Amino acid sequence: DAGVIQSPRHEVTEMGQEVTLRCKPISGHDYLFWYRQTMMRGLELLIYFNNNVPIDDSGMPEDRFSAKMPNASFSTLKIQPSEPRDSAVYFCASTNLNGAAGGYTFGSGTRLTVV
Amino acid sequence: SQQGEEDPQALSIQEGENATMNCSYKTSINNLQWYRQNSGRGLVHLILIRSNEREKHSGRLRVTLDTSKKSSSLLITASRAADTASYFCATLEYGNKLVFGAGTILRVKS
Repeated sequence: DAGVIQSPRHEVTEMGQEVTLRCKPISGHDYLFWYRQTMMRGLELLIYFNNNVPIDDSGMPEDRFSAKMPNASFSTLKIQPSEPRDSAVYFCASTNLNGAAGGYTFGSGTRLTVV
Repeated sequence: SQQGEEDPQALSIQEGENATMNCSYKTSINNLQWYRQNSGRGLVHLILIRSNEREKHSGRLRVTLDTSKKSSSLLITASRAADTASYFCATLEYGNKLVFGAGTILRVKS
C-alpha cells in the first residue's frame, strides 16, 4: 500500500482565494482525520470521519473551513476565503478500529502558505 | 485542543546516551501512543500502550503508563543520530479521537 496520499505537497495562494487540499486514505481504513500543525498551536484535530460520515467537526476553526468525504477513498478540506493565519501544514491520517491498536497512518502533509 | 503536556520541550544528548521524554494528560483514555516526526515530514507511529498496561517495549523503545498520575514516559536507549526528531505523545479518547501533546524536540549529537 502506498500509504496515505495527500496533494498538493505545497500550496502558495493569495489571501481571499479558495484552497482545496486532498487526501486518499489507506484502503480498508474507515476513519479519516484532518489535522493542522503550526508552531503556535501544535497539532490540532480539525475534523474526523467514520465510514465517510463526519463525526466530530468541533475543531474546525471557522465557517471558512469545510471538509467532505464523498467516498471511502477520497476526502477534501476546503478553505474559502483563505487568510494568512491559515498558513500551516495540514495532515490527513487514517485508521480502522483495529488501528486503535496499531496506530494511525499519516500522510506527508500539505504545507499551505497564504500571502 | 491539546490533551497532553510534554517535558522537556527540548533535549540534547550525545549518541549512545538514553533519552527520556515525559507526557501528562488530563482525561480518561483508551490508549496512549507515541509518534516521531522528522523535520518537514509526516508523523510516524512508534508504539501504543493500552490503558490497562503499565509498560511496553519495542526494540530500543520503552514506554510506561501511570493512569493514576495520568502520565507516560518514552525511553529511547542507546540513542543514534538518526533518532533526532520531534516526539509526540497522543491520547486516544473514546470515539477514536487522537489528541496530541506539544512534543519534545530531541537532538542526538554524534
